[in-house]
Amino acid sequence: NAGVMQNPRHLVRRRGQEARLRCSPMKGHSHVYWYRQLPEEGLKFMVYLQKENIIDESGMPKERFSAEFPKEGPSILRIQQVVRGDSAAYFCASSPLGLADTGELFFGEGSRLTVL
Amino acid sequence: SQKIEQNSEALNIQEGKTATLTCNYTNYSPAYLQWYRQDPGRGPVFLLLIRENEKEKRKERLKVTFDTTLKQSLFHITASQPADSATYLCALAFNKFYFGSGTKLNVKP
Repeated sequence: NAGVMQNPRHLVRRRGQEARLRCSPMKGHSHVYWYRQLPEEGLKFMVYLQKENIIDESGMPKERFSAEFPKEGPSILRIQQVVRGDSAAYFCASSPLGLADTGELFFGEGSRLTVL
Repeated sequence: SQKIEQNSEALNIQEGKTATLTCNYTNYSPAYLQWYRQDPGRGPVFLLLIRENEKEKRKERLKVTFDTTLKQSLFHITASQPADSATYLCALAFNKFYFGSGTKLNVKP
């Protein structure tokens, strides 16, 4: 059973371009979370999705950021018109269970975005 | 809003000693609390979960305690080894998972 797959692992974009980060959860997992991490800092919650639905997007900036988890295919975190402050590691985690069911999170290896 | 505090200073200990890491939180106690390990450049890996009605949980050399009165969880690694060197994160589950900033552990041979 393959783990959570994130791609690309490293992405370089110039200011104003779009960044698209993909996450394939583990097989059978319908809950996906996206987190952002700056060097030497903790994980900051961005968005929680369950197949085709956004459950909680309270940690995601209202502008330029969007996330989806379609019925078929990976979850995608999209950042439009990137700025230098978007440079960070973005982690995806999946779980077979919801929060109320003590869902352990399985993390991918992250996508590291660098904005020039 | 919910705050989680972990010691931002690195913990340096000698091989064979017990490492104790602290996670303090404010406001409400979560239904359960988790601990994760993160190595440089890698994603976090789940270690242990403890529920609010449990005082202590063990797994091999790892032990977690959870005191809802003190609003604190302690994470212990006994007989520590250099391979235990990593950053350890605590996570609280409410309507979402809130992570602390982590404590870096350095185990010296």
